[in-house]
Amino acid sequence: IAGITQAPTSQILAAGRRMTLRCTQDMRHNAMYWYRQDLGLGLRLIHYSNTAGTTGKGEVPDGYSVSRANTDDFPLTLASAVPSQTSVYFCASSDTAGGADTQYFGPGTRLTVL
Amino acid sequence: AQSVTQPDIHITVSEGASLELRCNYSYGATPYLFWYVQSPGQGLQLLLKYFSGDTLVQGIKGFEAEFKRSQSSFNLRKPSVHWSDAAEYFCGGSYIPTFGRGTSLIVHP
Repeated sequence: IAGITQAPTSQILAAGRRMTLRCTQDMRHNAMYWYRQDLGLGLRLIHYSNTAGTTGKGEVPDGYSVSRANTDDFPLTLASAVPSQTSVYFCASSDTAGGADTQYFGPGTRLTVL
Repeated sequence: AQSVTQPDIHITVSEGASLELRCNYSYGATPYLFWYVQSPGQGLQLLLKYFSGDTLVQGIKGFEAEFKRSQSSFNLRKPSVHWSDAAEYFCGGSYIPTFGRGTSLIVHP
């Protein structure tokens, strides 16, 4: 069982370009999340999805969009990347929404926007 | 705004010494609370979680945490730290899981 996979592992991107970070889980979890991790700021929630077909905004959603067309995939799109979006991005999933279940994290994507 | 606060950015302890990492929350109702650990270059792993019942929660790797409603705290403890415990520790909670800023644990031999 792979758990959660993220792609790419790392990426250098020119400002203004569009970028989609991929996240796939094979645990049939209902809830999925995207976080960004920045030094001194910890993990901040970007978007989440409690179940396939639904999404919600987290603490820092501006400049990002997500979709949840099926249970397994939860891509994060930067429509027009800016340098402040340079960060490490983590995808996570949990069996149910609501905070009681353990979150399982992917290995992360390191994104640099120049 | 984050609803959990980790007041300490860095904590340095000697191997074998006891450890306490602080976490304060500001949720209205009794929240779900948890601690995760992130080893260098790795993703996050759950140490323990609390959402009801016994206020002293046991986790993996010898860690425990105590929920104290009167102090709005959920501090993480370990009686004897090992060098392999050096990592970033995140407290978090709520129904839509959010995290504090993290505490970096440095272990001296």
